[in-house]
Amino acid sequence: QKEVEQDPGPLSVPEGAIVSLNCTYSNSAFQYFMWYRQYSRKGPELLMYTYSSGNKEDGRFTAQVDKSSKYISLFIRDSQPSDSATYLCATLMDTGRRALTFGSGTRLQVQP
Amino acid sequence: AAGVIQSPRHLIKEKRETATLKCYPIPRHDTVYWYQQGPGQDPQFLISFYEKMQSDKGSIPDRFSAQQFSDYHSELNMSSLELGDSALYFCASSLERTSGSHEQFFGPGTRLTVL
Repeated sequence: QKEVEQDPGPLSVPEGAIVSLNCTYSNSAFQYFMWYRQYSRKGPELLMYTYSSGNKEDGRFTAQVDKSSKYISLFIRDSQPSDSATYLCATLMDTGRRALTFGSGTRLQVQP
Repeated sequence: AAGVIQSPRHLIKEKRETATLKCYPIPRHDTVYWYQQGPGQDPQFLISFYEKMQSDKGSIPDRFSAQQFSDYHSELNMSSLELGDSALYFCASSLERTSGSHEQFFGPGTRLTVL
C-alpha cells in the first residue's frame, strides 16, 4: 500500500467548474504538503506548499490540510482549459528523509 | 527567475550502454534531488545531495551513481542500461537547509529511452 493515496482519475469537468482533488496519507511523520501540476512530458510545477492544518489560498487555488484525518485537498475555482494537467500531491517528513513522497497523480481535463 | 536546468532533454541509448545526465540547480540552492518517473507513474526518489555531500538515498540501483560538483551542478551516471531504465529523470533543488523552506523546484527532466 502506498504511503500517499490519490485517485488517478481521469476527472473531466466543464470550464468554470470548481475542481476538488484529494489525497490521503498514512504516515503521521508527514508534516509538509505540496501540490504540483504536471503537463504531459514536462517537469512538475509547484503550485502550493503548506505545513499546518487549515486552508491556504493563492489565486484560484486553495490547499486544505486536515492532519487529524490525514487528508489533503486542492480546490481549483473557475477552472480553465489551461488547467488540464496531472495534479500530484506530495508530502515530506519533519525529520529524516527530505525526499518527497508523491501520490499517483490525478489527471484533470477541463472541457471548453 | 532562473529555474533548474537539465541536459540533455532527450537521450536514446542501447542496452548495456552508459548514460550521464546533468542538472544545474537554481542559483544559491543548497540541496539537489534526483527522481525517476516511469510511464504513468509518480516520481520516485533516487538520491540527494546537500553541499556536495550525499544526504539521502532512495531506490537507486547499484548501477547508478551520482555526485555534486564544486559549482553545485550534479550528474547522474547510469551504467549497464536496461530496458526498464527508460523513464523521465527529474532533478529538483531547494534552499531547505539555509532558509528552512521545504519547497522543491523541479527541472524539465531528461527523457531516457533504452532500446
